[in-house]
Amino acid sequence: SAVISQKPSRDICQRGTSLTIQCQVDSQVTMMFWYRQQPGQSLTLIATANQGSEATYESGFVIDKFPISRPNLTFSTLTVSNMSPEDSSIYLCSVRESGANVLTFGAGSRLTVL
Amino acid sequence: EDQVTQSPEALRLQEGESSSLNCSYTVSGLRGLFWYRQDPGKGPEFLFTLYSAGEEKEKERLKATLTKKESFLHITAPKPEDSATYLCAVQARDDKIIFGKGTRLHILP
Repeated sequence: SAVISQKPSRDICQRGTSLTIQCQVDSQVTMMFWYRQQPGQSLTLIATANQGSEATYESGFVIDKFPISRPNLTFSTLTVSNMSPEDSSIYLCSVRESGANVLTFGAGSRLTVL
Repeated sequence: EDQVTQSPEALRLQEGESSSLNCSYTVSGLRGLFWYRQDPGKGPEFLFTLYSAGEEKEKERLKATLTKKESFLHITAPKPEDSATYLCAVQARDDKIIFGKGTRLHILP
């Protein structure tokens, strides 16, 4: 299965700043997703990162707050903009490989906003 | 509304003490039910996929079963290394995947 690398693994940020999380996959994948995992909550899908076109956002998530780039089939970035303490969470990159119905996850990026 | 509820939220067992984790779901047109294991500081790791009621899958000390309303993850004679958070997820007809909040399992030596 695909191997996913996420950077940074953790960061502490100040309110009002933005942070970009990188996701690198060791093989070409069509389907790439960004999830949020808040303490005590379910994994929640933020958006599907589409290669060559705008990301598809889930209800409650907007492009201005979570801009996503997908320049090719192995790489994506998620930016958390104008952060507030409520954005403190783990952000996970995930892929679904062709012919498989299973999600593979990166290790996550733990973000703390002060 | 599609929904996944896992119980209990947390479970502490002695090494060797078998038990089961529950995942109840309501979904429009189940396409698959997934179990994942998540260790602290890591992303979820895939364990099983179940597609239809009556199906069972096994891996080492774990066995997953599925009915029309729920799934169980049975843990037989657990070891401390089985300690983790176990996540259940369902894939609906529209291809959306919905996760439960997980069960934190702690096996005491």
